[in-house]
Amino acid sequence: IAGITQAPTSQILAAGRRMTLRCTQDMRHNAMYWYRQDLGLGLRLIHYSNTAGTTGKGEVPDGYSVSRANTDDFPLTLASAVPSQTSVYFCASSQGQGDYNEQFFGPGTRLTVL
Amino acid sequence: RKEVEQDPGPFNVPEGATVAFNCTYSNSASQSFFWYRQDCRKEPKLLMSVYSSGNEDGRFTAQLNRASQYISLLIRDSKLSDSATYLCVVNDYGGNTPLVFGKGTRLSVIA
Repeated sequence: IAGITQAPTSQILAAGRRMTLRCTQDMRHNAMYWYRQDLGLGLRLIHYSNTAGTTGKGEVPDGYSVSRANTDDFPLTLASAVPSQTSVYFCASSQGQGDYNEQFFGPGTRLTVL
Repeated sequence: RKEVEQDPGPFNVPEGATVAFNCTYSNSASQSFFWYRQDCRKEPKLLMSVYSSGNEDGRFTAQLNRASQYISLLIRDSKLSDSATYLCVVNDYGGNTPLVFGKGTRLSVIA
């Protein structure tokens, strides 16, 4: 693994189903983030984690949950998917030190909820 | 919510042209600033950080005006490969606090 990986690449999901999007980084970054990107709305932060064992809410957290059991993994769970959660989901990570703190993004997961 | 505003474009320019994007941010206490590039159906990638003194990387020049709260990106001698969406990004609080992304400016360089 090099950088950030996300799985699955894409998914079509029936409304009401539970879904977990996976994100793994091998850069030993402290901070990790989940964004969704929708046409005309740009990237919006869902949840973030500054370090393993801690999480925080972003701009659009409702309907999503996260956990950070270790440094490398940051899964995003949709407990009961709804069509408005159709989006492209990006995971990102950053070292977490200093002001100029580049975020590295995974390739994204395209989720369609029907 | 702290805002980062960009002209969505699209900017359609011929090869070799010079094009400039501006971005304004609402939080005067913002700590750090970036331009990211996003190709169609791909993840965003850092293009360059924006420092108070301004910085240049090849054909790309970034400027920061804290008094007026805007950031600019200048691309000289545009290439077809520069076609992408350019995201203005602000870190309000520094460190590993979440970034605030603009919605992006779409650039199309035409042969």
